[in-house]
Amino acid sequence: AQTVTQSQPEMSVQEAETVTLSCTYDTSESNYYLFWYKQPPSRQMILVIRQEAYKQQNATENRFSVNFQKAAKSFSLKISDSQLGDTAMYFCAFGAPVKGGSEKLVFGKGTKLTVNP
Amino acid sequence: DTAVSQTPKYLVTQMGNDKSIKCEQNLGHDTMYWYKQDSKKFLKIMFSYNNKELIINETVPNRFSPKSPDKAHLNLHINSLELGDSAVYFCASSQGRDRGTYEQYFGPGTRLTVT
Repeated sequence: AQTVTQSQPEMSVQEAETVTLSCTYDTSESNYYLFWYKQPPSRQMILVIRQEAYKQQNATENRFSVNFQKAAKSFSLKISDSQLGDTAMYFCAFGAPVKGGSEKLVFGKGTKLTVNP
Repeated sequence: DTAVSQTPKYLVTQMGNDKSIKCEQNLGHDTMYWYKQDSKKFLKIMFSYNNKELIINETVPNRFSPKSPDKAHLNLHINSLELGDSAVYFCASSQGRDRGTYEQYFGPGTRLTVT
């Protein structure tokens, strides 16, 4: 069974600074995806960034980038130039195929990020 | 034009009642899901349907029964509600393994409170 571990329950950062959220996972799958989702107080789940396991190049989306270390099974999220609107819970998720043409997301327990003015 | 919608957004009910949560997606996706987020914010998959066929059923009590009348809808019916059922329930959809990237789009969630 896949597991996802986020070792930082809470973090804080000053506005405009950079912060890195950690995530490790465990799997025997070779074909999978990794995701970071953001959940602001509105509780909407918003996809931040996605990484395909077969790609060595780290994904980037504007101020968000990942450091994907496949051998170490590590997938950290870096937020540059933090903004007040980045305040949210951040969930790391592992996506792997299951039978019947479906797939399953396994989530970490989340990191609560607070951006301070 | 909401991609994945759920109704209701809030649901307060008493123990022992039966309730349903509805979900609809207009993305043309083949696969839909129900997740439960507990009071500690932990998200766990409950069910998944692919083209109206049940694919994933994760050790969920029999009181929970998903129903998919067509591939754009996945409803969740809960019988004999218990206090421990209080949580936020999210519906999600994706293109499906053969066509997609496992990226799932989530609805706004339904906060269920059982008193």
